[in-house]
Amino acid sequence: GIQVEQSPPDLILQEGANSTLRCNFSDSVNNLQWFHQNPWGQLINLFYIPSGTKQNGRLSATTVATERYSLLYISSSQTTDSGVYFCAVEFRTGGGNKLTFGTGTQLKVEL
Amino acid sequence: DGGITQSPKYLFRKEGQNVTLSCEQNLNHDAMYWYRQDPGQGLRLIYYSQIVNDFQKGDIAEGYSVSREKKESFPLTVTSAQKNPTAFYLCASSIRQGEVYFGPGTRLTVT
Repeated sequence: GIQVEQSPPDLILQEGANSTLRCNFSDSVNNLQWFHQNPWGQLINLFYIPSGTKQNGRLSATTVATERYSLLYISSSQTTDSGVYFCAVEFRTGGGNKLTFGTGTQLKVEL
Repeated sequence: DGGITQSPKYLFRKEGQNVTLSCEQNLNHDAMYWYRQDPGQGLRLIYYSQIVNDFQKGDIAEGYSVSREKKESFPLTVTSAQKNPTAFYLCASSIRQGEVYFGPGTRLTVT
């Protein structure tokens, strides 16, 4: 099956710093999403981005489907950005479309 | 309000008992998914369904069963055959090849 790897696995930032999270995938995909999992376990949709670049406030994402990677940029980080960031890719199988998650990046933003 | 509901939030069971986790959505989504998350780990796909009365095994289906008799509902049964059932279970839904949304999750503890 498709492999989805994220880097770095862990990241500690000082408040106000910028960061880039990466998601690599091993095969062609239909779609890609970025999620933030908060400390209570809820997964929050950040971006639905099969290709191109999108921005939402301090966050932006870029997916280069032909090179099989996506990047999530966090600027001017805040303590509320802490949590785990996942990318997930959707690809077609014999049984329909399957959504596979990456390994995640654990982010901690400190004062 | 439109969304995905999972109940209960916390569930405790004795070893050897089957338990059914509820997942309901009023988003009129065709596709629904069940994921399992262990502490400090990513999400692993248990079962997914693209349409009513049809579902497919994910990566870790052994010891689990599902049904999809209604578009709005996709209950998951954790059977006594599941060797390590204690985990955080997340349900999700989407339109076909669309953005995926998650419920708040159910934390199952089996002792």
